Amino acid sequence: QVQLVQSGAEVKKPGASVKVSCKASGYTFTGYSIHWVRQAPGQRPEWMGWINIGSSHTIYSHKFQGRVSITRDTSASTAYLELSSLRSEDTAVYYCARDPLLTFGGIIVDWGQGTLVTVSS
Amino acid sequence: EIVLTQSPGTLSLSPGERATLSCRASQSIDSSYLAWYQQNPGQAPRLLISGASNRATGIPDRFSGSGSGTDFTLTISRLEPEDFAVYYCQQYGSSPPVTFGQGTRLEIK
Repeated sequence: QVQLVQSGAEVKKPGASVKVSCKASGYTFTGYSIHWVRQAPGQRPEWMGWINIGSSHTIYSHKFQGRVSITRDTSASTAYLELSSLRSEDTAVYYCARDPLLTFGGIIVDWGQGTLVTVSS
Repeated sequence: EIVLTQSPGTLSLSPGERATLSCRASQSIDSSYLAWYQQNPGQAPRLLISGASNRATGIPDRFSGSGSGTDFTLTISRLEPEDFAVYYCQQYGSSPPVTFGQGTRLEIK
C-alpha cells in the first residue's frame, strides 16, 4: 500500500532553516506528484507548494515564495521541503501528500504522518 | 485568492441523524475543483469527495457531495460514531492553486 514516511520532529530557532523529508513506497514514485501542506494548531490546512516528481517542476504558494524550496531525489524515492528564515508563526505540523496525477491535479489522496516543526527561541 | 467559508462552525448532532455541511466560495469555481476532507484529532486529513460529488475510494455511500458555482454541500445521511470529526472543503485550480475552508467541527450531541 502507499506509504509516505516523514522525518522526525524538529525544534528550530527563529531565523534558522528546516528541511523535512518524505520517503515514498508502495507506488511508482516518478509517476505521481507531491504536495506539501502545513497545519498550525487549531487551524485549517495551508497549502505550501507542489512538485512534479518526474520533471522536478515546482509551484509555490505566493505566501512562501522566496522562503520555500521543494526538491526530490528519485533514486531514494524521497521528496524534501526546505523552509528558511523561520519565525514563530511557522510552528506547525508539516505534511507531504500525494496527488493522483503527475501533472498538477490539486486533490490529495494520500498523506504522510506529519512532522511537527517548532520554532522557538 | 478564492476564500472558502464553511458553516456552521460547529454542528452538534446525534448518531443516526443527518448532517448537512456548507462551503461557500468568494467567487465561482469550477465544480470539478472542489473537494471535502475529514480530519480526526492527531491525524492527517482524509479525502472524502473530489470533483464536488465523486466519492473517493473506500468512502461509504452515506457521504455525498453536491453544489456548483459558489455553494457546495457535504451531506452525511446517517451519522455513525466514527463520523464525528472536523471537515474541510478545498478548492484547487485557481491562484493560489489550493485553498481550504476553516472547517466545520461535527460533535456528538
